[in-house]
Amino acid sequence: DVKVTQSSRYLVKRTGEKVFLECVQDMDHENMFWYRQDPGLGLRLIYFSYDVKMKEKGDIPEGYSVSREKKERFSLILESASTNQTSMYLCASSRRWDSWSRSPLHFGNGTRLTVT
Amino acid sequence: GIQVEQSPPDLILQEGANSTLRCNFSDSVNNLQWFHQNPWGQLINLFYIPSGTKQNGRLSATTVATERYSLLYISSSQTTDSGVYFCAVERRTGRRALTFGSGTRLQVQP
Repeated sequence: DVKVTQSSRYLVKRTGEKVFLECVQDMDHENMFWYRQDPGLGLRLIYFSYDVKMKEKGDIPEGYSVSREKKERFSLILESASTNQTSMYLCASSRRWDSWSRSPLHFGNGTRLTVT
Repeated sequence: GIQVEQSPPDLILQEGANSTLRCNFSDSVNNLQWFHQNPWGQLINLFYIPSGTKQNGRLSATTVATERYSLLYISSSQTTDSGVYFCAVERRTGRRALTFGSGTRLQVQP
């Protein structure tokens, strides 16, 4: 089974802190994604990556950055945490999506971040 | 970007009942996936179904790509089916990432 592991289940940080959310997958997947989930808004895409050292902005990248130095690890960075970044953060991975095929997305358990 | 609308937003069923969840999308897609988020927050992939019909046990899904909608059928519902069901799509032309709808919250009562 695919395993996507997020380093923390719950995290509490103060406004202005630099926050690192870590995600590791064990299936040699090329694609990795960061979403945030807020009540009534579904999941919104923050950043994604097709391969090592590659990154693409999603719908709401402001206030976030990412790092993918190794294929299995995709880190989300909040440069200076703010209260409006309090949310559930979900990491996902999948095999490469080719022109003719797609593979299922697999999610981690999520990190509930509270910024006070 | 592409718009994804799910209906109904909330659904309450008695155990054993059947239900149909709908997902409408605003553009041509080459990737559509259904997910179930359980009450503990874990998201599980149910189907990859950009077109056609698939079945997995009591669940089945149909996507009519030309009419831009997908349906998820749950038969003989059980309390363990409770949670939120999400539809997510990837637009045929554009970035290779899924855009999610806002979900249907299902509560199955014993």
